[in-house]
Amino acid sequence: ETGVTQSPTHLIKTRGQQVTLRCSSQSGHNTVSWYQQALGQGPQFIFQYYREEENGRGNFPPRFSGLQFPNYSSELNVNALELDDSALYLCASSPRQGAGELFFGEGSRLTVL
Amino acid sequence: QKEVEQNSGPLSVPEGAIASLNCTYSDRGSQSFFWYRQYSGKSPELIMSIYSNGDKEDGRFTAQLNKASQYVSLLIRDSQPSDSATYLCAVNPTNYGQNFVFGPGTRLSVLP
Repeated sequence: ETGVTQSPTHLIKTRGQQVTLRCSSQSGHNTVSWYQQALGQGPQFIFQYYREEENGRGNFPPRFSGLQFPNYSSELNVNALELDDSALYLCASSPRQGAGELFFGEGSRLTVL
Repeated sequence: QKEVEQNSGPLSVPEGAIASLNCTYSDRGSQSFFWYRQYSGKSPELIMSIYSNGDKEDGRFTAQLNKASQYVSLLIRDSQPSDSATYLCAVNPTNYGQNFVFGPGTRLSVLP
């Protein structure tokens, strides 16, 4: 069984740039969530995708957007990067909507200079 | 505001002792509660879930839930150095869909 995979693992951007992070969900999982984890903090919910539609959003501005594809993989896009966007971005998949467990990928560490 | 609070630690215990980790939450209607372990530089992994008041045991781990007090705890018996990690409490609040609010985590250090 293939787990959740994310790419890239590390990247460095400058303020104002745009970034796309990618996630492949665990086999058989149709729900994908994205979390932002700043250093020393717990993960913060960005949004969730189910059947290719956004299905819940946390307190993040519209410059954070996403997609889910028919194979349940997902992208997180962040426009107009700010220094505070520097964080570990975690993708988590669930076997179904409403499932209580999150299976996390190893994350993409973004540094904004 | 849906909040989850934890002591940031570090909590240091000697090897073989019981480690007690605590979590409080603000949304009284919350129904699902989870403990995740996160090793330094790694992603969180689920170790326990609890949905009903009382205790739930799984090996060396026991989760305790008291909804009246809005309190969740995790006990780790016979602590091992390999248990040294940050422990994240996660709560599924009312009207938050299938999504979770995480606490800031408690860093546990088990000393050999």
